Amino acid sequence: SQTIHQWPATLVQPVGSPLSLECTVEGTSNPNLYWYRQAAGRGLQLLFYSVGIGQISSEVPQNLSASRPQDRQFILSSKKLLLSDSGFYLCAWDPSSGRGNEQFFGPGTRLTVL
Amino acid sequence: AQSVAQPEDQVNVAEGNPLTVKCTYSVSGNPYLFWYVQYPNRGLQFLLKYITGDNLVKGSYGFEAEFNKSQTSFHLKKPSALVSDSALYFCAVRARDNYGQNFVFGPGTRLSVLP
Repeated sequence: SQTIHQWPATLVQPVGSPLSLECTVEGTSNPNLYWYRQAAGRGLQLLFYSVGIGQISSEVPQNLSASRPQDRQFILSSKKLLLSDSGFYLCAWDPSSGRGNEQFFGPGTRLTVL
Repeated sequence: AQSVAQPEDQVNVAEGNPLTVKCTYSVSGNPYLFWYVQYPNRGLQFLLKYITGDNLVKGSYGFEAEFNKSQTSFHLKKPSALVSDSALYFCAVRARDNYGQNFVFGPGTRLSVLP
């Protein structure tokens, strides 16, 4: 069966510090991968998605970047965090084989920027 | 452009009563529709989806949803609510034929089931 991992689970970082959040998927190959941010326990904002290694699409211009160095690894980064980067970050995947497939979400990373 | 509306920020229901969480959508062409649930500090958990066929879809934990094409709605329902159903619920849409469009999620509805 497939599983999705995110780490760390929680993170407290000072303003101006760098960020690296990691997401890995097991039990599947060539998944579509997504990074979302959720503010204040409400709606999801799609940040980045990837349909393959090295292929990243950005949905919202911002202080963040994403990379996909391996087929099942998706990394969210920042060189200098802002207060507004605080939130709950969710990684998700879905099979590349069809648009009727649901997305599967990781457990999330709670980021607090102080 | 795709969009999803969940007109109620909060739904309160007594335990044992039926519940409905509303969702309407806008998409070019035919949709794929999804419902997810989120418990505090957790990722989203898939409940059910409409792909094609029967307009009434049954999913996990006794939930069901009805696709209504004329009203562009996909309301989530459960005949008898449990306190443990209290959570944040998201509706999502994906255009069936527009490969340039990703999932679009609604703003979420917080369900509180009162004992």
